[in-house]
Amino acid sequence: GAVVSQHPSRVICKSGTSVKIECRSLDFQATTMFWYRQFPKKSLMLMATSNEGSKATYEQGVEKDKFLINHASLTLSTLTVTSAHPEDSSFYICSADTVNYGYTFGSGTRLTVV
Amino acid sequence: AQKITQTQPGMFVQEKEAVTLDCTYDTSDQSYGLFWYKQPSSGEMIFLIYQGSYDEQNATEGRYSLNFQKARKSANLVISASQLGDSAMYFCAMREGGKGGFKTIFGAGTRLFVKA
Repeated sequence: GAVVSQHPSRVICKSGTSVKIECRSLDFQATTMFWYRQFPKKSLMLMATSNEGSKATYEQGVEKDKFLINHASLTLSTLTVTSAHPEDSSFYICSADTVNYGYTFGSGTRLTVV
Repeated sequence: AQKITQTQPGMFVQEKEAVTLDCTYDTSDQSYGLFWYKQPSSGEMIFLIYQGSYDEQNATEGRYSLNFQKARKSANLVISASQLGDSAMYFCAMREGGKGGFKTIFGAGTRLFVKA
């Protein structure tokens, strides 16, 4: 079946540093990848939609310069949290639309900024 | 305005019993898709079931079935013969089109507790 591999699963970084999160589609080509953020005990909030070979589309209120998204190939999309601060600590998860009707999600990245 | 509403923050069910998780949605699109996902404590999102707006029959996948009432704009998830492993967070989601292409919006979720 369609698998999206997301790394790292957990990361702790110092305030002011940048963190890159990768999502790879392992057995299918993902022209579109969605990036979500989830606060504890809350729902998933769509941050941006990344399209292979073009600029990402960000949702209202999401800072483009803080959350850099790159979708350089049909199998890889990355989210870089730049100059991270403690308020950026969250669970980040990506998903891709497969050939079938379901979305496949990565396993998520728990980011803690100290 | 809320597009996906899950009114049950938490639900308890006895093992082997059936349980219904409520979901109502709001859209002006004629074509849309409805999904249910399970999120265990590990955080992964597990796809459970899908219902297309033009599907006339309710979707079923094993112990999961979706009670789709289009006129009421509801898409309740029914889990039959609950198991302890069903304890998790459950999200209802809707995919609809828009200017920027398709987007999926999630409800607030319902936490299900299965009691032995």
